[in-house]
Amino acid sequence: DTGVSQNPRHKITKRGQNVTFRCDPISEHNRLYWYRQTLGQGPEFLTYFQNEAQLEKSRLLSDRFSAERPKGSFSTLEIQRTEQGDSAMYLCASSSLAGGYNEQFFGPGTRLTVL
Amino acid sequence: DQQVKQNSPSLSVQEGRISILNCDYTNSMFDYFLWYKKYPAEGPTFLISISSIKDKNEDGRFTVFLNKSAKHLSLHIVPSQPGDSAVYFCAASAGNQFYFGTGTSLTVIP
Repeated sequence: DTGVSQNPRHKITKRGQNVTFRCDPISEHNRLYWYRQTLGQGPEFLTYFQNEAQLEKSRLLSDRFSAERPKGSFSTLEIQRTEQGDSAMYLCASSSLAGGYNEQFFGPGTRLTVL
Repeated sequence: DQQVKQNSPSLSVQEGRISILNCDYTNSMFDYFLWYKKYPAEGPTFLISISSIKDKNEDGRFTVFLNKSAKHLSLHIVPSQPGDSAVYFCAASAGNQFYFGTGTSLTVIP
């Protein structure tokens, strides 16, 4: 297990289409986070899971966004009816109790471009 | 509302000298602070952290200082190396949410 992986790395879509991203965390990590990063900004928290339970959601996560982690392993982030303002880098991170949950390991991100 | 601020978008330092990256925060409830390093086309990588009960944490060439009264933390890199050239983000947590600054791009000149 070499780290957190995210697929796809790049996604270009037309406005109004639905997109889904996948994140595979480090296998023994039971917490998984989604962040969004726009140009010139730091990562912004979207949501996080403890195992399969989604425990917190940011107000940034509109009703067009949904995240799942059905078996407590990989997670998906779906954006419905994409808008140009959704264009960003979507980062996934995972952490474990061994690291006090504070040390998050990030994936390389999925860059979304909405035309 | 930007709860964690990095007011210097960029910093250039000569190799071998000290790099000092600064970060300010507004939320007194933050209890844990972290620094991440990011190379292009990669996700952020954890560098060093500090709990709010401490005022200094050191790990090799990296030292983080926390001044709670000023709501300020800094990252010192000594000596700076060309491989340290990257974007550095500070982050803070209160509970399970993490708030990141906008980053400082460090360039270490050989």
